[in-house]
Amino acid sequence: QKEVEQNSGPLSVPEGAIASLNCTYSDRGSQSFFWYRQYSGKSPELIMSIYSNGDKEDGRFTAQLNKASQYVSLLIRDSQPSDSATYLCAVKGYGGSQGNLIFGKGTKLSVKP
Amino acid sequence: GAVVSQHPSWVICKSGTSVKIECRSLDFQATTMFWYRQFPKQSLMLMATSNEGSKATYEQGVEKDKFLINHASLTLSTLTVTSAHPEDSSFYICSVGRGNTEAFFGQGTRLTVV
Repeated sequence: QKEVEQNSGPLSVPEGAIASLNCTYSDRGSQSFFWYRQYSGKSPELIMSIYSNGDKEDGRFTAQLNKASQYVSLLIRDSQPSDSATYLCAVKGYGGSQGNLIFGKGTKLSVKP
Repeated sequence: GAVVSQHPSWVICKSGTSVKIECRSLDFQATTMFWYRQFPKQSLMLMATSNEGSKATYEQGVEKDKFLINHASLTLSTLTVTSAHPEDSSFYICSVGRGNTEAFFGQGTRLTVV
């Protein structure tokens, strides 16, 4: 069974610090990787997507992918209280439709002022 | 990204009644839409894949006769929860995907069955 594992947290960091969120996945054939942010009572919104090994930066966010280790992470620099949310890691297999998109249970991040 | 509109955002219904949730793709003709369910403190779970003009594909364990899906046009899919019970209370979310890339979600519908 294909699985995506995340530490449920909560992860608590002070304002201005770097928050590091981690995710591992079981399917070696996975090709696409996504980080979503979900505020309480709201639907997820896409933060980052990454498809190849290495780092991808977008503003304060950096996604890191290591396919050999089946590991993907999200770094949030200069964390703000507004970043407090649950972060979902999602993984998609090779080909196919969105039906292959598997979500982790999410890591709850709390940024303290 | 795609703009997805979901309605209603919340609904309270009595046990035994049916509830319809609409999902609209506003800027993209979607041959396929997806319905997820999320219980408190749980992850998103795919319920079914909605296919325009044909029958929906349901995930294992999801009752197709209870969760009726209609995808009559390229911009609208509906999910009807029939004979709802308190255990059906959940957050229902639809999504649209462009090819093999990321998913874009509707605002979600909070269903409470009393």
